[in-house]
Amino acid sequence: GEDVEQSPFLSVREGDSSVINCTYTDSSSTYLYWYKQEPGAGLQLLTYIFSNMDMKQDQRLTVLLNKKDKHLSLRIADTQTGDSAIYFCAESRGAGANNLFFGTGTRLTVIP
Amino acid sequence: DVKVTQSSRYLVKRTGEKVFLECVQDMDHENMFWYRQDPGLGLRLIYFSYDVKMKEKGDIPEGYSVSREKKERFSLILESASTNQTSMYLCASSLVERESTDTQYFGPGTRLTVL
Repeated sequence: GEDVEQSPFLSVREGDSSVINCTYTDSSSTYLYWYKQEPGAGLQLLTYIFSNMDMKQDQRLTVLLNKKDKHLSLRIADTQTGDSAIYFCAESRGAGANNLFFGTGTRLTVIP
Repeated sequence: DVKVTQSSRYLVKRTGEKVFLECVQDMDHENMFWYRQDPGLGLRLIYFSYDVKMKEKGDIPEGYSVSREKKERFSLILESASTNQTSMYLCASSLVERESTDTQYFGPGTRLTVL
């Protein structure tokens, strides 16, 4: 995780948008992922983006990829209290899911 | 639904004890992984296995060993626990890649405290 960086904390009010940022290092990464970890649980895959895409939208989630700056972001629209969790970005440095490098995680707190 | 289970949610051990963390998956996945999760460091890969009796070192294998005698079970072993191994341990499994979007499925984690 040392080369994939995230801000550790983010607080937003319920109903606002959240933007979680991630900086990665390997320009040859093929896929970039966002995982969510709820309290007391393991990680679950939220969404992913292929490296030749700039943007991917999936319901309330929008992923933006700036490959030149190696910057990835996850936007959550209309943030709900159930979105409170730790969010991890991960990059694949080989093919697919067997060579993932995780970021340091961002703890999102949603204030009612 | 894929299910990855870990034998304990919380574990307290003493320095020098031998510790076994067990992970079982029920989806016939070929690949299994052990990570540790520490604040500010994210997830770091300890060991992974592509098949029964096969293992590969991850980023931080020192002080750990693993065992994969059956496809569904992957054990992490701390031969002589030390206080710096106090951490959250996460197990994951995945299929051999047919699609690059095959993801890893995670267990709920074991929080280990070494006194």
